[in-house]
Amino acid sequence: EVQLVESGGGVVRPGGSLRLSCAASGFTFDDYGMSWVRQAPGKGLEWVSGINWNGGSTGYADSVKGRFTISRDNAKNSLYLQMNSLRAEDTALYHCARVVNPIVVVPAAMPWFDPWGQGTLVTVSS
Amino acid sequence: SYELTQPPSVSVSPGQTARITCSGDALPKKYAYWYQQKSGQAPVLVIYEDSKRPSGIPERFSGSSSGTMATLTISGAQVEDEADYYCYSTDSSGNHSYVFGTGTKVTVL
Repeated sequence: EVQLVESGGGVVRPGGSLRLSCAASGFTFDDYGMSWVRQAPGKGLEWVSGINWNGGSTGYADSVKGRFTISRDNAKNSLYLQMNSLRAEDTALYHCARVVNPIVVVPAAMPWFDPWGQGTLVTVSS
Repeated sequence: SYELTQPPSVSVSPGQTARITCSGDALPKKYAYWYQQKSGQAPVLVIYEDSKRPSGIPERFSGSSSGTMATLTISGAQVEDEADYYCYSTDSSGNHSYVFGTGTKVTVL
């Protein structure tokens, strides 16, 4: 069974830092890209960051670019998100998700996320 | 930035059909994907590439897309289908900006 378990969330003051982790099991971790998606309390979903299978390519939402860094350790089947200069608007439940690439590569197709972990809560508050 | 617009809520009686729309300028060129999120749970993919259903998803879930609008249809809605539903797609810029829709709360009562 594919499992993704996030950890590392907590309460942090504005301007502070936090490192999230995601432990993967049940699949060959280095066969897949991975992403972080967050959900502010009572709000919708927002893609935060993604990384390819070997860490050689990363991407970030404009809202976190320059403050967050995604990384992975394939030997440990783990995904990470280093969050610096945290702001109140970063308060959210952070999910890690496996990235699935389309079988048939056509211009209309794009990667999607499946499955997702249950998430870890980050609260930025003074 | 690119936006995908959904109605905030849809109500349906058990056994009836619910339709959830997703509007976006790039949808004529890009597939739509749909996620179901039940209260307190992680999102689950119910439709990918406009109309394909992952294994394990009931046949009552179907998807379609025409022009700038994608639609998720729940035919014969069940009480257990009550959830938030999000569409997902990207713009056509090639900048790999992955966008979720605004979300629709489906109530079955």
